[in-house]
Amino acid sequence: NAGVTQTPKFQVLKTGQSMTLQCAQDMNHEYMSWYRQDPGMGLRLIHYSVGAGITDQGEVPNGYNVSRSTTEDFPLRLLSAAPSQTSVYFCASNTRKSANTEAFFGQGTRLTVV
Amino acid sequence: AQRVTQPEKLLSVFKGAPVELKCNYSYSGSPELFWYVQYSRQRLQLLLRHISRESIKGFTADLNKGETSFHLKKPFAQEEDSAMYYCALQNNAGNMLTFGGGTRLMVKP
Repeated sequence: NAGVTQTPKFQVLKTGQSMTLQCAQDMNHEYMSWYRQDPGMGLRLIHYSVGAGITDQGEVPNGYNVSRSTTEDFPLRLLSAAPSQTSVYFCASNTRKSANTEAFFGQGTRLTVV
Repeated sequence: AQRVTQPEKLLSVFKGAPVELKCNYSYSGSPELFWYVQYSRQRLQLLLRHISRESIKGFTADLNKGETSFHLKKPFAQEEDSAMYYCALQNNAGNMLTFGGGTRLMVKP
């Protein structure tokens, strides 16, 4: 059981380039989310999805797009990378079948924008 | 709006000393609180949740609604407890987690 899988693990982009961070889960979870982790600021929610075809903005959505065409996949797109997007990105999933459900996280993608 | 505050960015203790990592929250609904831990080179994982009232790896956390706090405690710290700890608040719909800024715990030998 792989859980939540993110690719790539590391990426260096030049300012203005675009790219997609991949996230897949095999637990049939309804909810999926993207966070960025910055020193001293914890994890901040970028976008989230409550099911296939449904996405919504989190706390820091600017500069990012998402889509959810299947239950398993939730890619995050950087449209035009900026140095301020240098961060570690985490994808997470959880089920809605009960309250207080545990979120499962991917291993993270360390992105540097130069 | 929901908010989580962890006032200490770094907490350094000696092995065998008691540990308390502070967490305060604000939320208009009924809070659902968690502690997540990230060990070096590992992914973020659940440590414990308030509704379970459990003790995991010797850690406990009590929800105090009057003080809006959910502090994490352990009576005797071990070196393997060194990690980054995040307090998190889940909204009642279950689709959004709000994290505190994190506290790095260092347990010295």
